[in-house]
Amino acid sequence: DIQMTQTPSSLSVSVGDRVTITCRASQSIINYLNWYQQKPGKAPTLLIYTASALQSGVPSRFSGSGSGTDFTLTISSLQSEDFATYYCQQTYFTPRTFGQGTKVEIK
Amino acid sequence: QVQLVQSGAEVKKPGSSVKVSCKASGGTFSSYAINWVRQAPGQGLEWMGGIIPFLGTTDYAQKIQGRVTINTDESTSTVYMELSSLRFEDTAVYYCATEGLTTAWNRNYYYGMDVWGQGTTVTVSS
Repeated sequence: DIQMTQTPSSLSVSVGDRVTITCRASQSIINYLNWYQQKPGKAPTLLIYTASALQSGVPSRFSGSGSGTDFTLTISSLQSEDFATYYCQQTYFTPRTFGQGTKVEIK
Repeated sequence: QVQLVQSGAEVKKPGSSVKVSCKASGGTFSSYAINWVRQAPGQGLEWMGGIIPFLGTTDYAQKIQGRVTINTDESTSTVYMELSSLRFEDTAVYYCATEGLTTAWNRNYYYGMDVWGQGTTVTVSS
């Protein structure tokens, strides 16, 4: 199975901060990498697909980049509603594995 | 846009089976893949498997292959996920989700799970 490693596993930040989360795949997944946001007790929501495409309705402060094995999710200026857990997922190989998640908390 | 409505919470004994439904309203999922993802308490997301109704194909995570079956009833726009030989560690919230895809060169290319059901809690307890 493809291993997806997210770093960091958690981070404490303030409103207005720039946030960067990294996801590394154990082998090349081209650009078949998605990012999800999940708030407690809720289903995940899709933020970014195919590494850099912004899902409809998602604020432009979210962006994704990368290809091959290394990918990044950036939140340019964190808002209060962005405190959540973020997951990456590769869809190039079966099983379509997730990273372990990054919890973004209030400092 | 299609919405997904899942069946209610279940409590099951170890060794038994559970069948969770996911009904599409406001549209159909005939042109999508439908995935099942689960989340154990306090844990991350785990992709279990998926079905592509218009191709008639299914994919399962090897970890649970042999215990999981995903199928559809297109007449009612409902997808079912059945998990057998339940274990305590199968206690989780189970989600269904639609995903767009294209097919080329004998391969499927997926574009993210954009519509999710509300989740179904399955508790395995003796």
